[in-house]
Amino acid sequence: AQTVTQSQPEMSVQEAETVTLSCTYDTSESDYYLFWYKQPPSRQMILVIRQEAYKQQNATENRFSVNFQKAAKSFSLKISDSQLGDAAMYFCAFAHGGSQGNLIFGKGTKLSVKP
Amino acid sequence: DSGVTQTPKHLITATGQRVTLRCSPRSGDLSVYWYQQSLDQGLQFLIQYYNGEERAKGNILERFSAQQFPDLHSELNLSSLELGDSALYFCASSVGLRMSTDTQYFGPGTRLTVL
Repeated sequence: AQTVTQSQPEMSVQEAETVTLSCTYDTSESDYYLFWYKQPPSRQMILVIRQEAYKQQNATENRFSVNFQKAAKSFSLKISDSQLGDAAMYFCAFAHGGSQGNLIFGKGTKLSVKP
Repeated sequence: DSGVTQTPKHLITATGQRVTLRCSPRSGDLSVYWYQQSLDQGLQFLIQYYNGEERAKGNILERFSAQQFPDLHSELNLSSLELGDSALYFCASSVGLRMSTDTQYFGPGTRLTVL
């Protein structure tokens, strides 16, 4: 069974600085997708970034980028130029590439941004 | 605003009772997903419907059931409620049926408290 592990329950970053959130996963599949979701205090889950396992290039969305290390089964999220609005819970998630792959979430990392 | 609506926002009930949570997907989306977020279990996928038919099942208890109606709205029925069912229940929707490639848009959630 696939598992997703986020080893950092809480992280803190100074405004305008860079922070990296860690995520590791375990799977025997070769076709899969990885995600980072953000859950701000409003509770609504928002997709931040998605990475296809077959792509070697790391995904980037504005200030958000990932470091995808397939062999190490590691998928970290880097937030550059942190802003107060980035304060939220961040969840790493995994989905099998097949048509019936479930979305499996890690326990989350709570990110605080200090002004 | 994701375009996904959920009602009610909050629900307080007693053990042994039955409740119904409602979700209206974004216009044009055919898939509806239900998730449970609790302190103990984290964020867990419960069930997916696509165009009225059950598509995938996750960690959904037998006391729970769901359906998707012809107008594509969905209801999650929770019966014989226990204290441990207290959680935030999310609905999400997407255009297609693949959790890996189709972006899911989450609703604001329904907070269920079982006393």
